[in-house]
Amino acid sequence: QLQLQESGPGLVKPSETLSLTCTVSGGSINNSSSYWGWIRQPPGKGLEWIANIYYRGNTYYNPSLKSRVTVSVETSKNQFSLKLSSVTAADTAVYYCTRLLYLWQITLVRGVNFDSWGQGTLVTVSS
Amino acid sequence: EIVLTQSPGTLSLSPGERATLSCWASQSVSSVYLAWYQQRPGQAPRLLIYAASSRASDIPDRFSGSGSGTDFTLTISRLEPEDFAVYFCQHYGSSRVTFGGGTKVEIK
Repeated sequence: QLQLQESGPGLVKPSETLSLTCTVSGGSINNSSSYWGWIRQPPGKGLEWIANIYYRGNTYYNPSLKSRVTVSVETSKNQFSLKLSSVTAADTAVYYCTRLLYLWQITLVRGVNFDSWGQGTLVTVSS
Repeated sequence: EIVLTQSPGTLSLSPGERATLSCWASQSVSSVYLAWYQQRPGQAPRLLIYAASSRASDIPDRFSGSGSGTDFTLTISRLEPEDFAVYFCQHYGSSRVTFGGGTKVEIK
């Protein structure tokens, strides 16, 4: 069974860079039907998509965060990472790493969904 | 950009009752790219429904999804105690992802 696990500091100072890594186990990150991504959830609020990355390095960003976000993948370690620069208190949230899975029927897409999630890690931005 | 609006914000029901949750898209979307998630307190979201009406693995058949175009519905036929949670709809399109604001199903 696929498992995802976030790791990184739980406290980041304002104006600094938030860095998180997701380790994938139980499956390969080199999966042609999978995109790997980050979603966050401020305390008591809804879900916000941050970015996705394909194992070949293709990246897709939320336009509202694009100027501050970098995602990368390290296939040899079965890991992918998130960097969010110039953080403020508004970036305080639980950060989830996820798999976005394409479901195919021959050459037709029959579904695209986040089928696997990490447990989430709370990152607090505070001095 | 697709905006998803969920209603109601909160649904107060008793165990055994039927829950009907709505998700409206700001423009017509393909049902292939519409999914529903359940989030219990302190847990990560869990995929319930994909392609608007297909149940994910191990999801009980009391959960069903329907709809097309701009109007989508998640129905829980008979609420079990573990179903009281927050539910989100989600759309994927043009390599971007949007979520609805969520509906909280609480015990009446």
